[in-house]
Amino acid sequence: DSGVTQTPKHLITATGQRVTLRCSPRSGDLSVYWYQQSLDQGLQFLIQYYNGEERAKGNILERFSAQQFPDLHSELNLSSLELGDSALYFCASSVGGRREEQFFGPGTRLTVL
Amino acid sequence: GDSVTQMEGPVTLSEEAFLTINCTYTATGYPSLFWYVQYPGEGLQLLLKATKADDKGSNKGFEATYRKETTSFHLEKGSVQVSDSAVYFCALRGGNAGGTSYGKLTFGQGTILTVHP
Repeated sequence: DSGVTQTPKHLITATGQRVTLRCSPRSGDLSVYWYQQSLDQGLQFLIQYYNGEERAKGNILERFSAQQFPDLHSELNLSSLELGDSALYFCASSVGGRREEQFFGPGTRLTVL
Repeated sequence: GDSVTQMEGPVTLSEEAFLTINCTYTATGYPSLFWYVQYPGEGLQLLLKATKADDKGSNKGFEATYRKETTSFHLEKGSVQVSDSAVYFCALRGGNAGGTSYGKLTFGQGTILTVHP
């Protein structure tokens, strides 16, 4: 158990809908990262937050957004969902924002029908 | 930009066989290199890491050496077990002081390893 929790574990929804994925980092970790794992794109970095502020952005679609709250949990919002958004979404956390080890949560599997 | 290329899988071995999974990278600066393992239904776990050239990372019998001259970080294990069956990812974290890379990890495609008794 990495100490990073993600909810829900599975999510099934329809095209055009909006969903919110939640991540709680390890106690004491200030940085949260979101990654998407899909069959065609592999594992890709989406976005990083550090202590409530966006720190780095990767291949994140404009339909996707994220935020980190004062209690340091993070949410990833996916809207206008398409079939191709079906993937496993991982959250990771680290103490700092750059050189520290990242600890991964178990992931949320999103299926868009 | 940064990239990681991993040998195509899947890899199927018998127990006690020797394992090599090749990994090469492209990056500016001085990246840190990692191997992560993903067991079925679980998140990624850090297996080993190396932060500078010629460093050797090791854990649970697995080893990998950071070779800057060949931009490689191949994973090896002398004798695999059935419990090693998993997906293995090579990854790098950029070494640039500035820019927007910060702590993000860039992953290879992953290699599925299956070990038979």
